[in-house]
Amino acid sequence: AQRVTQPEKLLSVFKGAPVELKCNYSYSGSPELFWYVQYSRQRLQLLLRHISRESIKGFTADLNKGETSFHLKKPFAQEEDSAMYYCALRGTYKYIFGTGTRLKVLA
Amino acid sequence: KAGVTQTPRYLIKTRGQQVTLSCSPISGHRSVSWYQQTPGQGLQFLFEYFSETQRNKGNFPGRFSGRQFSNSRSEMNVSTLELGDSALYLCASSFPAGILVGANVLTFGAGSRLTVL
Repeated sequence: AQRVTQPEKLLSVFKGAPVELKCNYSYSGSPELFWYVQYSRQRLQLLLRHISRESIKGFTADLNKGETSFHLKKPFAQEEDSAMYYCALRGTYKYIFGTGTRLKVLA
Repeated sequence: KAGVTQTPRYLIKTRGQQVTLSCSPISGHRSVSWYQQTPGQGLQFLFEYFSETQRNKGNFPGRFSGRQFSNSRSEMNVSTLELGDSALYLCASSFPAGILVGANVLTFGAGSRLTVL
């Protein structure tokens, strides 16, 4: 079965602390994985995708096929990072989203 | 360029009624997909359309249907509304795979919030 799991509904960290939002997936084949973010009162938007291997707003995510994971990391959290984060997998003509993790960065 | 436009933004219906939601994609985007967003379930895939053809459908009952027009605009319809259909319905458009820059990256609309009483 194709599935994306985000085990944490809420993650609270202090400003300046490292952040890791977990994402595990189940997919037979080569997955295409994404992180989408929704800031307060804004639309859901792309944060990054694994094939780009880029860092956006200080966030990185590495695809680990052995552990079937695509965790999102940032070394030093900022208050403006507070948002809802969704991990997503592109399957055959469909996207599968995790249930999302709300990140709260505390001052 | 204009973003993805969804109409109406808010609507209230009663059980048993039907509703039609509209989505205008970004110019040049030919792929449109729909999602149901609820607090407990996150985003659930409804359908994906490309060139007026439904390429995939999620695990929703037949009361949920959709279509895409030749100008890539899409509509979804929910008939015989139930209380559990209350949700934010999101539409997203994208370049289809094969166009490398930005391929398969979803651009979302603001959503249509449906309340069923």
